[in-house]
Amino acid sequence: DSGVTQTPKHLITATGQRVTLRCSPRSGDLSVYWYQQSLDQGLQFLIQYYNGEERAKGNILERFSAQQFPDLHSELNLSSLELGDSALYFCASSVGNSYNEQFFGPGTRLTVL
Amino acid sequence: KNEVEQSPQNLTAQEGEFITINCSYSVGISALHWLQQHPGGGIVSLFMLSSGKKKHGRLIATINIQEKHSSLHITASHPRDSAVYICAVMRSGGGADGLTFGKGTHLIIQP
Repeated sequence: DSGVTQTPKHLITATGQRVTLRCSPRSGDLSVYWYQQSLDQGLQFLIQYYNGEERAKGNILERFSAQQFPDLHSELNLSSLELGDSALYFCASSVGNSYNEQFFGPGTRLTVL
Repeated sequence: KNEVEQSPQNLTAQEGEFITINCSYSVGISALHWLQQHPGGGIVSLFMLSSGKKKHGRLIATINIQEKHSSLHITASHPRDSAVYICAVMRSGGGADGLTFGKGTHLIIQP
């Protein structure tokens, strides 16, 4: 158990809908990273938050957004969902910024029908 | 061309064999990570290294910064080592701070 929690574990929804994925980092970790794993693209970095502020952006679509709250949990919002958004979404946390080991949550499997 | 390349893509071996998985990268990095992903999907961090060699149990990871190459070795392999092993790099020099991943090596250890 990495200490990172993600909810829900599975999510099935329809095209055009909006969903919210939640991540709670390990106690004491200030950074949260979001990653997407799909069959065709593999694992891709989406976005990073550090202590409530957006720190870095990767391949995140404009239809997706995220935030980190004062208690350091983070939410990833996916809107206008398309079939191609079906994937595993992982969050990871680390103590500091870029140069620390990242600990991964169990992931949320999103299926868009 | 991908910034992180792994070889082999697939590897099947017999229990007890010495396993080597290779990772080459084409960008400047601050650190390299080896990750393990089991069929259930969960990702476990095995190593983070920026130089030299690290060992944990039967697992050994090495990195050669000049050659931009890393290897993951498994000694006395066991069927429970069957998983996908993923190499990922943290690029140096600013910009995105997330990891850039290789496509993974699917390892099967047969009893």
